[in-house]
Amino acid sequence: AQSVTQPDIHITVSEGASLELRCNYSYGATPYLFWYVQSPGQGLQLLLKYFSGDTLVQGIKGFEAEFKRSQSSFNLRKPSVHWSDAAEYFCAVGPNRDDKIIFGKGTRLHILP
Amino acid sequence: KAGVTQTPRYLIKTRGQQVTLSCSPISGHRSVSWYQQTPGQGLQFLFEYFSETQRNKGNFPGRFSGRQFSNSRSEMNVSTLELGDSALYLCASSPQGARTDTQYFGPGTRLTVL
Repeated sequence: AQSVTQPDIHITVSEGASLELRCNYSYGATPYLFWYVQSPGQGLQLLLKYFSGDTLVQGIKGFEAEFKRSQSSFNLRKPSVHWSDAAEYFCAVGPNRDDKIIFGKGTRLHILP
Repeated sequence: KAGVTQTPRYLIKTRGQQVTLSCSPISGHRSVSWYQQTPGQGLQFLFEYFSETQRNKGNFPGRFSGRQFSNSRSEMNVSTLELGDSALYLCASSPQGARTDTQYFGPGTRLTVL
């Protein structure tokens, strides 16, 4: 069955440090891949998405993600985090055989000053 | 363009009651999806409506229902509330459908069942 895993529930980095959030998926073909961010009290906002083509995808707010078929991964990166990046990040993959997008459980990012 | 709006933002109900939540999508978007978000289960898909028709449905009991109006506004209803229904209910709209489109989420309705 199709699935998506975010192995890290919490991650803490210092402001100005680099960031990588992991996302692994199980899918029969090349999936559609998304990263969303949720700030406290807010809905989700799309950071970036991959459908096909260049495997390095640029998103908003300085984020990027790389699709690695051989590793079934779509990790999110940012070279230098800002305090405002503290939020919860969701990886999503789909559509599955029920035509749905599946969301990971999320990674909560904490930023140290 | 105005974003996705959800009303009310907060609700407190007691077990056995029913509740109706409302979602107004971005203008021009024909697809509205509903999700339940809880700390334990994460984001779980409830259903998707497209042009007033339910296009897809998640694994929730029949107490959860929804509908979409001709102006694409959507409502979801939960009858006979249970404590476990306490959650953040998120609505998302997209131009053509949740399976591949970018989804634009509203801020959610926080439902507390006592």
